[in-house]
Amino acid sequence: EAGVAQSPRYKIIEKRQSVAFWCNPISGHATLYWYQQILGQGPKLLIQFQNNGVVDDSQLPKDRFSAERLKGVDSTLKIQPAKLEDSAVYLCASSLRLAVSSYEQYFGPGTRLTVT
Amino acid sequence: QQQVKQSPQSLIVQKGGIPIINCAYENTAFDYFPWYQQFPGKGPALLIAIRPDVSEKKEGRFTISFNKSAKQFSLHIMDSQPGDSATYFCAASMRTSGTYKYIFGTGTRLKVLA
Repeated sequence: EAGVAQSPRYKIIEKRQSVAFWCNPISGHATLYWYQQILGQGPKLLIQFQNNGVVDDSQLPKDRFSAERLKGVDSTLKIQPAKLEDSAVYLCASSLRLAVSSYEQYFGPGTRLTVT
Repeated sequence: QQQVKQSPQSLIVQKGGIPIINCAYENTAFDYFPWYQQFPGKGPALLIAIRPDVSEKKEGRFTISFNKSAKQFSLHIMDSQPGDSATYFCAASMRTSGTYKYIFGTGTRLKVLA
């Protein structure tokens, strides 16, 4: 079974530029999560999708961050314009639907963003 | 109420030692408590998880102890090895809108000396 795929793995941009990250979850996983992991901290949820609908985006800085999951499969996370404090690893994770009684979420390798 | 407090921040043990990492939560709506292991440059990987109706769970050298009344849980690594050197995160999860939401602890950086 293929894991969660993310690209790019690394990105360096200047502040005020824009950037986009891509995630392809495990096949059949209805729930997709985007997390921000700042160095030395635990992952913080940015947005959670169930199929192509948003379940939780309460911690997403909506003035600069946006995300979409068209067709309920892969997803993109965009930052525009980027700030220095956005430097972090952006992790994508996926899990099966609640109805299948599986709680496990599987993480991708992450995208390390450096904003200079 | 949505926080998960994790300690210690870092831990150094000798090979064969038993590192213990502790987590505490406040919201009793949490009903699933996983531990993740993360190596540098990799995403977190599920290590072991427990539900609140069980006080202890063992998988190989990893054991979770769960104290529902104290709202605390801990990870024990038996016979620790240098290959266990990684960052460990606890998490707490609850049902929300037909799916699960996860809150992570701040992480513990473990180093096992050979």
